[in-house]
Amino acid sequence: GDSVTQTEGLVTVTEGLPVMLNCTYQTAYSDVAFFWYVQYLNEAPKLLLRSSTDNKRTEHQGFHATLHKSSSSFHLQKSSVQLSDSALYYCALRRPGYNKLTFGKGTVLLVSP
Amino acid sequence: EAAVTQSPRNKVAVTGGKVTLSCNQTNNHNNMYWYRQDTGHGLRLIHYSYGAGSTEKGDIPDGYKASRPSQENFSLILELATPSQTSVYFCASGEGKGDTLYFGAGTRLSVL
Repeated sequence: GDSVTQTEGLVTVTEGLPVMLNCTYQTAYSDVAFFWYVQYLNEAPKLLLRSSTDNKRTEHQGFHATLHKSSSSFHLQKSSVQLSDSALYYCALRRPGYNKLTFGKGTVLLVSP
Repeated sequence: EAAVTQSPRNKVAVTGGKVTLSCNQTNNHNNMYWYRQDTGHGLRLIHYSYGAGSTEKGDIPDGYKASRPSQENFSLILELATPSQTSVYFCASGEGKGDTLYFGAGTRLSVL
């Protein structure tokens, strides 16, 4: 079956510095869609960005991710983090023709002053 | 903005008791989902539905039932609650292609 692997646990970054949250995947399908969801403390998860195009950069709210099928990765990056970026981040994939997502275990990003 | 409402927001249940978690969406989405969220496991799919009258098993359906009586409502039922079902439960709705899920605020369930 499909699987998504994320940087485990907690990533701590100082405000103003860059961050990359890792996401790699395994799937037997080629036409797969990928997502990053963000969940702020005591809130519901919500979509941050999505992509299904190989080697195309997708951006939203200062974050960006590029799907690289050659390395089975969809890492999330930001060049300069803010305190308000502290949250739980989920990477997910959806295989073609399916209406359900496979989520990774999530990565907590903590931005310190 | 899509709206998904869960009730109750917090629930304390006794082992062996019956628990029903309710979810209502006003988005007219066909698909609805129940996830549980646990540290170290992330979001795991319990049951989902493609429309009124349909329910499908997700990845961890054991110990749970689901009911979709209408387009708007999707319930998760724990017939015999166990302490291992203590968790935060999220309901979500999505359109046909499933590109974006809209989550409710979650229900925190404690089974004692």
